[in-house]
Amino acid sequence: EVQLVQSGAEVREPGESLKISCKGSGFTFSIYWIAWVRQKPGKGLEWMGIIYPGASDTTTYSPSFQGQVTISADKSISTAYLQWNSLKASDTAMYFCVRHHGGGHFDSWGQGTLVTVSS
Amino acid sequence: QSMLTQPPSVSGAPGQRVTISCTGSSSNIGAGYDVHWYRQLPGTVPRLLIYANNNRPSWVPDRFSASKSGTSASLAITGLQAEDEADYYCQSSESSLRASVFGGGTKLTVL
Repeated sequence: EVQLVQSGAEVREPGESLKISCKGSGFTFSIYWIAWVRQKPGKGLEWMGIIYPGASDTTTYSPSFQGQVTISADKSISTAYLQWNSLKASDTAMYFCVRHHGGGHFDSWGQGTLVTVSS
Repeated sequence: QSMLTQPPSVSGAPGQRVTISCTGSSSNIGAGYDVHWYRQLPGTVPRLLIYANNNRPSWVPDRFSASKSGTSASLAITGLQAEDEADYYCQSSESSLRASVFGGGTKLTVL
């Protein structure tokens, strides 16, 4: 069974750093693109960026998120990451990792990681 | 980054047919990229509903169908049921297959 299991909810203060994770199982992690999707409270889905774990320097970011976050991966442990160097209150959201099918759709979703940034 | 445009809300009575539109541009849907649809029930993770314009995963009943033409796409739900009440999102690729864009989402209310 294809699964993406994300790390647990996080609470941070503005200015702090954070790295959340997404571990894949049930498929060959290194040959699928893995993307991150943001959903702010009560709002819609936003595509943030994508990485190819088989070649971890192969990333593409949405212009809206370029420079704001870093996407990385470690194919040896089938895990993708989403990282912030300096969180803002506006980063408060649910973050989903998703498996990108070659046809362009997302055929498997992680359970989501709720990130709360508050002083 | 552009976003696909969906109506914020649609509604229908049980048994009726509703459609949800998704309008893009020449850099996404109009460029020939496929359109995909997701359903997000309240408080749950989004789930793939339609892929590659009009294909249903095995769990999706044939009450759900979709189409694409030009720079737009639409999702149709027939025989509306109370459990169809959810948020629906369209998604396509943007300028390249690895980059994506979502619609703003449509809240379906079953009256």
